[in-house]
Amino acid sequence: DGGITQSPKYLFRKEGQNVTLSCEQNLNHDAMYWYRQDPGQGLRLIYYSQIVNDFQKGDIAEGYSVSREKKESFPLTVTSAQKNPTAFYLCASTTGAALRTNYGYTFGSGTRLTVV
Amino acid sequence: AQSVTQLDSHVSVSEGTPVLLRCNYSSSYSPSLFWYVQHPNKGLQLLLKYTSAATLVKGINGFEAEFKKSETSFHLTKPSAHMSDAAEYFCVVSVPGPLIQGAQKLVFGQGTRLTINP
Repeated sequence: DGGITQSPKYLFRKEGQNVTLSCEQNLNHDAMYWYRQDPGQGLRLIYYSQIVNDFQKGDIAEGYSVSREKKESFPLTVTSAQKNPTAFYLCASTTGAALRTNYGYTFGSGTRLTVV
Repeated sequence: AQSVTQLDSHVSVSEGTPVLLRCNYSSSYSPSLFWYVQHPNKGLQLLLKYTSAATLVKGINGFEAEFKKSETSFHLTKPSAHMSDAAEYFCVVSVPGPLIQGAQKLVFGQGTRLTINP
C-alpha cells in the first residue's frame, strides 16, 4: 500500500546533539513537507521541497536542516541550534494532481521528539 | 497574506447533538480550504476539501462544511456527534508554492479540540 513512513515514532535527544528524523514516501509525490506541532499552536511549516535537489525554508526553519537527494525521501535534521526542539513532527507529501482531486495531502503518523 | 483563524480552541458537545467548529480565513487568492482531523499521537486525515466547486462540501464520517465568501468562513458541521469524533480538528488554507504550479503549502489554524460527552 502507498503511503508515508516516518521513523522513529518516539525519539529522545540529549541537549547539544543533532538528530535526524526520517520521512519516506512511495506515492511518487513531487512535493514533501515538514511540520512542527506544539500544543495550542496548530502546525507550523519548517521546510518544504517541491522537486528533488531543491527545498525552501518555511516559517520556522532556524535550527533545522533538510536534504532532498531522492524523490521518495526528505529527512529532517534537528540541530543543536534549535533551542526548543521538543515537539511532534509531521511529514506530508502531495502532487499537483492530488490537489485537483479530493485526495489532497498525505501525512505520516509523526515522530515525537523529546529532549532529555 | 493567507491565514486561518479557528474561533474556538475547545468545543464540548453531548453524543447525538450537532457539532459546529468555526473557521475564518484570509486569502488574497481564490482559496483552497481543507478540514483535517487528528486523533491522539496520529497523523492527519483529510475530512473534506473546498476548491471553488460546490460551496457545500460533504466529507467523510458525516461531516460537511460550507464555504461563505461574503463571511470568509468555512465552518465544519455534523448533525449528530459520535464518541469516535473526539479529536483535534484543523482548518487549513493552501498557499501557492514558488516552483511547481499546483504544488502548494498549507497554512494551519490553531486547532479545535472536540470533546464528546456520553
